[in-house]
Amino acid sequence: SYELTQPPSVSVSPGQTASIVCSGDGLPKQYAYWYQQKPGQAPVLVIYQDTERSSGIPERFSASSSGTEVTLTITGVQAEDEADYYCQSTDSSGIYLFGGGTKLTVL
Amino acid sequence: QVHLEQSGAEVKKPGASVKISCKASGYTFNNYYIHWVRQAPGQGLEWMGIIKPTDGKTVYTQKLQGRVTMTRDTSTRTVYMELSSLRSEDMAVYFCTRGGAVETGTAGWFDPWGQGTLVTVSS
Repeated sequence: SYELTQPPSVSVSPGQTASIVCSGDGLPKQYAYWYQQKPGQAPVLVIYQDTERSSGIPERFSASSSGTEVTLTITGVQAEDEADYYCQSTDSSGIYLFGGGTKLTVL
Repeated sequence: QVHLEQSGAEVKKPGASVKISCKASGYTFNNYYIHWVRQAPGQGLEWMGIIKPTDGKTVYTQKLQGRVTMTRDTSTRTVYMELSSLRSEDMAVYFCTRGGAVETGTAGWFDPWGQGTLVTVSS
């Protein structure tokens, strides 16, 4: 298996762009997914299959993939985007992995 | 709409077992895998395992092998997760979540999620 690594925290002012990077050796071979979790709530799917935005997710959320890194980008961050964000993927044996999570703070 | 409804909070003593239910609605139950994910207080998400509703086959994370059992009841569209020999480190919110389509294999994303079940382990 391998690990998914995310920065513990990212801070951004409203209206600016936030980028959260997730790295892992298996990412070139496996899809990555992103989830948003607000305090006291269940996670919500934001991005699936590396770059596809989930239904109902605002267009300001996008994602990209390059080699062993995937990046979640929020363009024009709003206060409501403050949350924890987790990347997720699988390894070659079918074990599911989560990154450690990134706390996005909107200043 | 697709919905997963979990059973309520539990308080257990160390060494005991807990069994949580997850009732699915809004889709064909047999067509999608169900996963269990847990989150200790202030910590990240931890994948626990997966169950295939059609035949009940399971895969568990190695960390919980021997202590976790996932089962399903197709007649009530309900999946269960039982964790035995509870210890303080098992205190967490436990989520069920729908995974990928059975016909395409296990690969897939987690959507939607149940509301979570808090398990408190305390003597």
